Amino acid sequence: DVKVTQSSRYLVKRTGEKVFLECVQDMDHENMFWYRQDPGLGLRLIYFSYDVKMKEKGDIPEGYSVSREKKERFSLILESASTNQTSMYLCASIPGRTTYEQYFGPGTRLTVT
Amino acid sequence: GQQVMQIPQYQHVQEGEDFTTYCNSSTTLSNIQWYKQRPGGHPVFLIQLVKSGEVKKQKRLTFQFGEAKKNSSLHITATQTTDVGTYFCAGPAGGSSNTGKLIFGQGTTLQVKP
Repeated sequence: DVKVTQSSRYLVKRTGEKVFLECVQDMDHENMFWYRQDPGLGLRLIYFSYDVKMKEKGDIPEGYSVSREKKERFSLILESASTNQTSMYLCASIPGRTTYEQYFGPGTRLTVT
Repeated sequence: GQQVMQIPQYQHVQEGEDFTTYCNSSTTLSNIQWYKQRPGGHPVFLIQLVKSGEVKKQKRLTFQFGEAKKNSSLHITATQTTDVGTYFCAGPAGGSSNTGKLIFGQGTTLQVKP
């Protein structure tokens, strides 16, 4: 079974802090994604990566950056957390660049106070 | 830009009643996927539809892809409390299937009263 893990289930940070969210998948998948999920808005793509050190902006990249130094690990960085970044963050992965089912991690509920 | 809309946003039903959620895309899709997210959980893939007019069944769940490949529906017959959750449809971003990116609908949250 594909396993996608995220570093924290719940996280509370203060405004202005730098926040790192980590995602690891164990199936040698090429593509990885970061989404945020907000009520009534569904899942919105922040960034995705199709290879080590390769990344592309999604629909809502402002205020976020990403890092993919190893194939199995994809990190989401909030350079200076703000209250409007309070949300559920979901990581997902797929084997390649065609439309496969996406395998999601358990999510990180981030609260910025 | 490309949009995928889902209705209704919420649905409360009595256990045993049927339930349907509808998904509409602003562009023609090469395929459409459906996911289920249980309360407190993460989205889990249910099915992918590829052909125009395709209908697939999984026990009490019936999935349909429209003839024009711009809409889809999920119908649950005789709902059970285990059906509670949010159902998302998703289509390939840009309409094609060569990037792996998906555009998700807003989701329909189903509550079932026992």
